[in-house]
Amino acid sequence: AQSVSQHNHHVILSEAASLELGCNYSYGGTVNLFWYVQYPGQHLQLLLKYFSGDPLVKGIKGFEAEFIKSKFSFNLRKPSVQWSDTAEYFCAVLSGGSYIPTFGRGTSLIVHP
Amino acid sequence: GAGVSQSPRYKVAKRGQDVALRCDPISGHVSLFWYQQALGQGPEFLTYFQNEAQLDKSGLPSDRFFAERPEGSVSTLKIQRTQQEDSAVYLCASSLKGGVEHWANVLTFGAGSRLTVL
Repeated sequence: AQSVSQHNHHVILSEAASLELGCNYSYGGTVNLFWYVQYPGQHLQLLLKYFSGDPLVKGIKGFEAEFIKSKFSFNLRKPSVQWSDTAEYFCAVLSGGSYIPTFGRGTSLIVHP
Repeated sequence: GAGVSQSPRYKVAKRGQDVALRCDPISGHVSLFWYQQALGQGPEFLTYFQNEAQLDKSGLPSDRFFAERPEGSVSTLKIQRTQQEDSAVYLCASSLKGGVEHWANVLTFGAGSRLTVL
């Protein structure tokens, strides 16, 4: 069965600091990869996705993620975080031939102004 | 509708009571998912529907959990004889379609139903 690991459970940064959140998955075949975000009081929403092609994916609000197949990783990055980026971030993987995305346990990001 | 609607948003049940949680997906979305999210954890898969067919229920934790989507739109998750360990947020998500058409695999989530069992 597919599994997803998010290594950083809690991250605290100051505004303008750079961000990198780790995500690793176990399945070795074709995958679709996602990052979802949940802002305080809001529901989960898509931040960015990778299906194929350029392994560097750009999403909303200046976020990007890089798919490294050899490392089974899809890390999320942002060069300069803002207070409004405070949220829970979830990595999700959809294995080839499956209908069901598997989620990581999430990373809680707090950005201090 | 414009988004995925879930009700009730909050439900407090006494241990042993039955509860029913409703999900109204985006109109035209074929796939519907239920996930359970415990405090401090990520969403854990419960069950999956494609139209009215329940294609996967492998994540349902016990036979006290039952889900249906009789007309291929609204879905209900029912929990019988609730236990304290059932306390969680129950998330519903829908997508245009599932499987190989990757462009249709993006999930749209509802706000969730927070269940507290006393």
